[in-house]
Amino acid sequence: AQKITQTQPGMFVQEKEAVTLDCTYDTSDPSYGLFWYKQPSSGEMIFLIYQGSYDQQNATEGRYSLNFQKARKSANLVISASQLGDSAMYFCAMREPRSNDYKLSFGAGTTVTVRA
Amino acid sequence: SAVISQKPSRDICQRGTSLTIQCQVDSQVTMMFWYRQQPGQSLTLIATANQGSEATYESGFVIDKFPISRPNLTFSTLTVSNMSPEDSSIYLCSVGRTLQGDTQYFGPGTRLTVL
Repeated sequence: AQKITQTQPGMFVQEKEAVTLDCTYDTSDPSYGLFWYKQPSSGEMIFLIYQGSYDQQNATEGRYSLNFQKARKSANLVISASQLGDSAMYFCAMREPRSNDYKLSFGAGTTVTVRA
Repeated sequence: SAVISQKPSRDICQRGTSLTIQCQVDSQVTMMFWYRQQPGQSLTLIATANQGSEATYESGFVIDKFPISRPNLTFSTLTVSNMSPEDSSIYLCSVGRTLQGDTQYFGPGTRLTVL
């Protein structure tokens, strides 16, 4: 069963505007972690932001913020003031500690293209 | 954050040959993982590299095809054996900081093309 769902294959955003990338997840474990990564065309995976299931506040890292809605099992990434360098693939991932091996399950990804 | 390097960064190989990819971390880490990303696809976990013992493979991946070594807490290798064009992918090493696992970082990846 799909654990992480990203329903937006691709998005266009105007430079300096904000963009929201959707991510929903499925787990029965009360303890889990949610990650967002950025993958530019070079192929490297760049860690952006992390949200723990017990965190009381939404995570923020500079221009990145995570809109965590636990009851809806969603963890949307918001990128504010988009820049041309934000053009990349973005992956949502979840880690379940149930098996104690801390593997990540990834969504299909969303391609973001920032227009000047 | 951990600094992770991978060698080689890219390679073009002939079918039937093998390639060993190295992953080096600048500090000791508990968890090391190997992922594959086929063209246009998301990441799929190949195996967890265990220090001092055999790797733990995910469904669909076997040790004969993807042997993994992890001789210490800062280094691991993944070998892609008897390659075919279907093995053309980006291979990424990932590390977790502690058993409690706050953040997982990735190496820069190895872009493999099999002809």
